[in-house]
Amino acid sequence: GAGVSQTPSNKVTEKGKYVELRCDPISGHTALYWYRQSLGQGPEFLIYFQGTGAADDSGLPNDRFFAVRPEGSVSTLKIQRTERGDSAVYLCASSLTGEDTQYFGPGTRLTVL
Amino acid sequence: AQRVTQPEKLLSVFKGAPVELKCNYSYSGSPELFWYVQYSRQRLQLLLRHISRESIKGFTADLNKGETSFHLKKPFAQEEDSAMYYCALMANAGKSTFGDGTTLTVKP
Repeated sequence: GAGVSQTPSNKVTEKGKYVELRCDPISGHTALYWYRQSLGQGPEFLIYFQGTGAADDSGLPNDRFFAVRPEGSVSTLKIQRTERGDSAVYLCASSLTGEDTQYFGPGTRLTVL
Repeated sequence: AQRVTQPEKLLSVFKGAPVELKCNYSYSGSPELFWYVQYSRQRLQLLLRHISRESIKGFTADLNKGETSFHLKKPFAQEEDSAMYYCALMANAGKSTFGDGTTLTVKP
């Protein structure tokens, strides 16, 4: 079956702009996660959804970052007033429940000029 | 707060040699530990988790609570094992903390 997909695969934007990154989880997976991975580092947890609600958003770095999952499937990570330091690969993962194996998407590479 | 440390950024071994990738963690409770692998041009995927006690692709990992370690081992490395390996800890459902990874190169 289809795995986790993320769009776009690459996004280049200018400092100060708004961006949206999309994640399509595996069908039937109730849990969805967003991570950020900077060069040379491991994935850094941002937020975890269980169904439509954010069960843990403690990893969001500041209020410029926001994520939604309105119907409990597709999720969008939104970044306002982007900064050069936001440049990274943003990974999405999904799992059957919050304690099951996480399946990762290919990531979106965000570059802020 | 939880923390995962992988002390080696790079590790190189010859084919057929034993390999051990180190992982140390700090967490006051009883965490769940994982090893993830990312092969070249592929997405991150789970290799093994300590509660399943499985051996995947010949790799094993033992949780040592006394030393707070979860080292990944394989007795005879293969060239196809060359990849980036990440150790991760899950303290609460859904929230995982990853180490910064070790790049393993297995030379012919």
